[in-house]
Amino acid sequence: DIVVTQSPDSLAVSLGERATINCKSSQSLLHSSNNKNYLAWYQQRPGQSPKLLIYWASIRESGVPDRFSGSGSGTDFTLTISSLQAEDVAVYYCQQYYSLSNFGQGTKVEIK
Amino acid sequence: QVTLRESGPALVKPTETLTLTCTFSGFSLSTGQMCVNWVRQPPGKPLEWLALIDWEDDKFYSLSLKTRLTISKDTSKNQVVLTLTTVGPADSGTYFCARSPTAYYHYMDAWGKGTTVTVSS
Repeated sequence: DIVVTQSPDSLAVSLGERATINCKSSQSLLHSSNNKNYLAWYQQRPGQSPKLLIYWASIRESGVPDRFSGSGSGTDFTLTISSLQAEDVAVYYCQQYYSLSNFGQGTKVEIK
Repeated sequence: QVTLRESGPALVKPTETLTLTCTFSGFSLSTGQMCVNWVRQPPGKPLEWLALIDWEDDKFYSLSLKTRLTISKDTSKNQVVLTLTTVGPADSGTYFCARSPTAYYHYMDAWGKGTTVTVSS
């Protein structure tokens, strides 16, 4: 079973400032057949269902603001919100889909 | 427009079997190379992937719950059904169904609003 671990568990960022969330996998998510990282990021606002932000570690889903970006390869990945907006208050999850599927434990983002 | 909607009992007794239905529209599981997943979330806890079924009727399950889960589809009704046997309080939570837009890469681009299940006598 591949385990994905996020850090930190929570963070408070001032409006307009950068937020950075990390996701570490117990095994490489880089597949040699297509050179792609099987990692996605989701946003879950309070009381709502999750929303896909990023897939293939760095591809932004259609309609997602460009202040959201994903980076990393292999076992270490990062979601960056370049300029935090009030509507970005949410819990963010990474998901590996290299082998079956698993989510990280979530990172709660709040306004400082 | 892709939509998914979960339905099922709000209250289930311990040791009973939970049956949930995902009714979807805007895509096909018979002709489109897609999948439907089930994901759950206990109150205040993280998301947990449970199972998926693809257009070719291939089924995959969470290793930790494999013995208790069954997923199936009815393409004529655009429905996917999940059953979970011998439920206990730890199975309480919100259950979501979600679409993967390809049969081979299981990120989830469309989600239902979820249905809340409480296991209690």
